Amino acid sequence: KQEVTQIPAALSVPEGENLVLNCSFTDSAIYNLQWFRQDPGKGLTSLLLIQSSQREQTSGRLNASLDKSSGRSTLYIAASQPGDSATYLCAVNQGGSEKLVFGKGTKLTVNP
Amino acid sequence: DTGVSQNPRHKITKRGQNVTFRCDPISEHNRLYWYRQTLGQGPEFLTYFQNEAQLEKSRLLSDRFSAERPKGSFSTLEIQRTEQGDSAMYLCASSRSLGYTFGSGTRLTVV
Repeated sequence: KQEVTQIPAALSVPEGENLVLNCSFTDSAIYNLQWFRQDPGKGLTSLLLIQSSQREQTSGRLNASLDKSSGRSTLYIAASQPGDSATYLCAVNQGGSEKLVFGKGTKLTVNP
Repeated sequence: DTGVSQNPRHKITKRGQNVTFRCDPISEHNRLYWYRQTLGQGPEFLTYFQNEAQLEKSRLLSDRFSAERPKGSFSTLEIQRTEQGDSAMYLCASSRSLGYTFGSGTRLTVV
């Protein structure tokens, strides 16, 4: 059974700092991995999707990497801003299934 | 196209009542998903439709839960005889190929 773990559970940083969020998964037979952002009481916004054959994806100040063999992904956020404050969720799509398996998320607070 | 729409946004119901939620996906998306999220947890998969066919269901989807997607457009999720443990955010997402678009969710509170 696939399990996704996100560390840390919560992170507080001053504005302008670069930071890394971690995601690990137990079964490396994944189809793709996605990072989402969730604001309090809201739905999920897709940030980046990395297919199993890719090593990284970039969008603006965000960079996500994938090491399938070790079961790890990182989300790097450069020059953090207070507007980046949210919960960041990692999810994997297992081959042979349409479902996403999510971690519990990392709650990020960027202080002005 | 305004994205994935879910109604209602909030629902408070008494234990034992039936509730129904609606999801309107992005029009050209043939895939539709339901997830459930409780406080402090990531979303958990409930079910998946491709067009009107329900192709995958989680064991979380007990016999009190039923989902439909008539004509492959909007979808409904019904919970019969609600229990306090059903209190959660119910999220709908749609997709055409890779990547998901989620709606804002329906928050259910069972009292």
